[in-house]
Amino acid sequence: GNSVTQMEGPVTLSEEAFLTINCTYTATGYPSLFWYVQYPGEGLQLLLKATKADDKGSNKGFEATYRKETTSFHLEKGSVQVSDSAVYFCALSDANGGSYIPTFGRGTSLIVHP
Amino acid sequence: NAGVTQTPKFQVLKTGQSMTLQCAQDMNHEYMSWYRQDPGMGLRLIHYSVGAGITDQGEVPNGYNVSRSTTEDFPLRLLSAAPSQTSVYFCASSYRSGAYNEQFFGPGTRLTVL
Repeated sequence: GNSVTQMEGPVTLSEEAFLTINCTYTATGYPSLFWYVQYPGEGLQLLLKATKADDKGSNKGFEATYRKETTSFHLEKGSVQVSDSAVYFCALSDANGGSYIPTFGRGTSLIVHP
Repeated sequence: NAGVTQTPKFQVLKTGQSMTLQCAQDMNHEYMSWYRQDPGMGLRLIHYSVGAGITDQGEVPNGYNVSRSTTEDFPLRLLSAAPSQTSVYFCASSYRSGAYNEQFFGPGTRLTVL
């Protein structure tokens, strides 16, 4: 079956530091890959996505590249801000058994200090 | 568009009580899902639906029922609440478009069972 593994948090950084959150996946087919962000007290919202190998998704200064050879989709940002403090979820969507219900990682909490 | 709406936002129940969590979407999405979010456990899929009249079980379905009589609505019923069902519940919807099915999440219902 499909699975997503994320680095455990919390990740604690100072403002303007470089961010990497690791995500690796296992899938039977050719999945699409997603990063979602959850701000305190809110639901998840899509941050970025990539639908095929070597695609790079980007949004709000965040980037992630779909690496089929290493089955990875690591999230990066060059300079984090306090407002980036949130929980980040990696997810994949695949035609597993005919349905595209996504598989989520456990989430990684990011705390950015001024 | 209102997107995905959930009611109520907060609820306190006593053990053994029943209740229905409401979820509605106005985007004509085929897929709808219910998740629960617990500390350290990420998102766990309870039930999902790929269209009106079609539902299926997710990872943690015990103690919950669903039905999908219309495209717009997907209520989640707790038959006899237990303290283990204390959690934050999220409803999500998406198009049935395979690689492009971004999930749209509601704001969540925070449930406490005493």
